[in-house]
Amino acid sequence: SYELTQPLSVTVSPGQTATITCSGDKLGDNYASWYQQKPGQSPVLVIYQDSQRPSGIPERFSGSNSGNTATLTISGTQAMDEADYYCQTWDSRAYVFGTGTKLTVL
Amino acid sequence: EVQLVDSGGGLVQPGRSLRLSCAASGFTFADYAMHWVRQAPGKGLEWVSGISWKSDNIAYADSVKGRFTISRDNAKKSLFLQMNSLRPEDTALYYCAKDIRPSVGSDNWFDSWGQGTLVTVSS
Repeated sequence: SYELTQPLSVTVSPGQTATITCSGDKLGDNYASWYQQKPGQSPVLVIYQDSQRPSGIPERFSGSNSGNTATLTISGTQAMDEADYYCQTWDSRAYVFGTGTKLTVL
Repeated sequence: EVQLVDSGGGLVQPGRSLRLSCAASGFTFADYAMHWVRQAPGKGLEWVSGISWKSDNIAYADSVKGRFTISRDNAKKSLFLQMNSLRPEDTALYYCAKDIRPSVGSDNWFDSWGQGTLVTVSS
């Protein structure tokens, strides 16, 4: 079955840029989405169609997808961005989520 | 405002059945595909099943195929998940999620989520 691999954790200092990767075979051939999940809360969509931001999502969130890797970038990271992040795509009649990355802002 | 309220979870013995429900409001339920996504305690997200707006396009994860059945009632704005032959590994928080499109497919994402309902499978 198709797998999406993310780093287990990423640590960033406040105000710096956080980069979270999502790797899968030919991932760039399909759209990728990204979800943010804070402790005890439901996931929230932060990026869709590789690089589009839903209304209400700050401009510091951006995304890209090419080849085998999708990337979520958070510029000027804030303490409120500390959360788990999951990428998601579609493969052969099934939706697939990445393994998840815990972002720590320290 | 879109609202999805999940219910029906609980403690159930292995091999038994449970039916989850999701009540939708704040959008035209009949226009969108809907999904169930689960999260085992301390683990990541796992897509379980999706159903198109007319119920003519349904998909399941391999891990639940043949045991779970997704359905919907557009008149009652409700989504369901019938779970049979439950296993301990089915223990998870189950979320109802709204699709951005009417059909299950490759250019889709989940723009709204319920609060989840906890299913615990244990003897």
